[in-house]
Amino acid sequence: KQEVTQIPAALSVPEGENLVLNCSFTDSAIYNLQWFRQDPGKGLTSLLLIQSSQREQTSGRLNASLDKSSGRSTLYIAASQPGDSATYLCAVDNAGNMLTFGGGTRLMVKP
Amino acid sequence: DAGVIQSPRHEVTEMGQEVTLRCKPISGHDYLFWYRQTMMRGLELLIYFNNNVPIDDSGMPEDRFSAKMPNASFSTLKIQPSEPRDSAVYFCASRPRGGTGGDTQYFGPGTRLTVL
Repeated sequence: KQEVTQIPAALSVPEGENLVLNCSFTDSAIYNLQWFRQDPGKGLTSLLLIQSSQREQTSGRLNASLDKSSGRSTLYIAASQPGDSATYLCAVDNAGNMLTFGGGTRLMVKP
Repeated sequence: DAGVIQSPRHEVTEMGQEVTLRCKPISGHDYLFWYRQTMMRGLELLIYFNNNVPIDDSGMPEDRFSAKMPNASFSTLKIQPSEPRDSAVYFCASRPRGGTGGDTQYFGPGTRLTVL
């Protein structure tokens, strides 16, 4: 059974810092890995999706990497802003459509 | 498009009552998913449909839970009878047809269920 772990569970940084969120998974036979953002009381918004054959994806200040062999992914946020404050969730698709989510990293960026 | 629509946004009910959660997926999407989010267990997939047909319901916790998709634009998740431990946020998501694992899922705003 796939298990997804996110470290740290919570993170507080001053505005402008570059930061890295970590995600690890136990079963490397994945179709893709996705990073989502969740704001309080809201649904999830997809940030980046990395196919199993890809090593990284970039969108604006966000860069996600994938190392299947080691069961790891990182989400890099450059020049963090207060508007980046949210919970970031990593999700792994093992069986086509069946996402297993990590517990999330709650990020606070202080002005 | 308005995105995935869920109703109600909040539901408070008493133990033993029947609860029905509703979802309208994004038009043209072939897949529909129901998730549950709790502090203890995080986000869990309950069931998903492809072209209105249930494909995998292994995440449905008990027989008290049932889900239907009578047509491409509507799905329900029903809990009967409800229990306090069913209190959670229930999300519906949809995604378009594509290669397996090729497309992201689009989430609705969720229904916050409280069972007293």
